[in-house]
Amino acid sequence: NAGVTQTPKFQVLKTGQSMTLQCAQDMNHEYMSWYRQDPGMGLRLIHYSVGAGITDQGEVPNGYNVSRSTTEDFPLRLLSAAPSQTSVYFCASKSEGLARDEQYFGPGTRLTVT
Amino acid sequence: LAKTTQPISMDSYEGQEVNITCSHNNIATNDYITWYQQFPSQGPRFIIQGYKTKVTNEVASLFIPADRKSSTLSLPRVSLSDTAVYYCLVVFYGGATNKLIFGTGTLLAVQP
Repeated sequence: NAGVTQTPKFQVLKTGQSMTLQCAQDMNHEYMSWYRQDPGMGLRLIHYSVGAGITDQGEVPNGYNVSRSTTEDFPLRLLSAAPSQTSVYFCASKSEGLARDEQYFGPGTRLTVT
Repeated sequence: LAKTTQPISMDSYEGQEVNITCSHNNIATNDYITWYQQFPSQGPRFIIQGYKTKVTNEVASLFIPADRKSSTLSLPRVSLSDTAVYYCLVVFYGGATNKLIFGTGTLLAVQP
């Protein structure tokens, strides 16, 4: 049982490049989400999913796309990277309900856009 | 507008009790309030969760008043290893869907 895994751990992009941040969980959780955490700041919700085929926007969705084709995977796509997207990205999953029970967080992906 | 407010930072000494309050207007009436702890370069870690009144586990207590406009995390007898950022997590109504939103975070610094 690996929990929530994220790849890559570190990434440097040039402005305008695109990439996909991978997130996978092996706990059969329905709810998955992506957060970004800027230096010295709190976590802001980007997108979330309540099950395969269902996604919705969070607080700061602009510049990011998501899809949920399987229960296990929830990739986050940056369409055209900008320096403002330099941040640490956390993926999380939980079993049921919107707020009941704990979310399990991945180790994070540190992204720098130059 | 979804908004939570926490003190930016708090200082304490080892062995003291620490109370951190999160203010949250207009949260969902039928969902849980959760608190997380985060160390540098790590993802948040679950501490405690509650719906109303008081909840206690082996590491903390959570107090939620009847109006649910705030919640207070209580850490009994803190130690140096409790130095971290603490976040509340609440549900806000978002029209057709509800969203889990983190508070602004409180940096707790415990000194010997």
